[in-house]
Amino acid sequence: QSALTQPASVSGSPGQSITISCTGTSSDIGAYNSVSWYQQHPGKAPKLMIYGVSSRPSGVSDRFSGSKSGNTASLTISGLQAEDEADYHCNSYIGSGTWLFGGGTKLTVL
Amino acid sequence: QVQLQESGPGLVKPSETLSLTCTVSGGSMSGNYWSWVRQPPGKGLEWIGYIYYIGSTSYNPSLKSRVTISLDSSKNQFSLKLTSVTAADTAVYYCAKYYCSGGACYGLDYWGQGTLVTVSS
Repeated sequence: QSALTQPASVSGSPGQSITISCTGTSSDIGAYNSVSWYQQHPGKAPKLMIYGVSSRPSGVSDRFSGSKSGNTASLTISGLQAEDEADYHCNSYIGSGTWLFGGGTKLTVL
Repeated sequence: QVQLQESGPGLVKPSETLSLTCTVSGGSMSGNYWSWVRQPPGKGLEWIGYIYYIGSTSYNPSLKSRVTISLDSSKNQFSLKLTSVTAADTAVYYCAKYYCSGGACYGLDYWGQGTLVTVSS
């Protein structure tokens, strides 16, 4: 199965809000509430930012929020900060015990 | 605080078997799902598979014929074997733990630092 679809890049200025989309199908994102988002800085391991579509792990800033509408999940970062510049990856359960990542999105803070 | 650490050869020859081990510390493997994820240089993440603490597994269909994930709870370790490797298997390999609740899993909450495996003669 092909990767979930994410924009290759997004950008925003400090203080602004940005949204990264993750599009799948009615058989994956549309069917399950097991969408998660990961932040990855260069040379570092991914970090869980959102799980279960919209829940934040302890310690993750409330500037990060997740949502889902139909077959598309979204990660919104409000009040952009320089340290938010990173790659962001979505991941979804797709049934039969298998999972699928998106292609990743590079966020640039201008 | 759970910590994971990958270990294994950084260089594997084409057609041979890639073998990695993930050592878990700071927590028990019992009751949890454990996963392998890889990332080719400059590319996105790819889910390889998982193993449940009782030994049941699930694999990425595109890798299923070549992948085996096993677990040794007495050593707090789980392992990855990938056979018949090619240059396309060159990647940073991560081990990770699932966050699960109420019978469903929702994301990978703890990750190892990753280890680069290069396939080359």
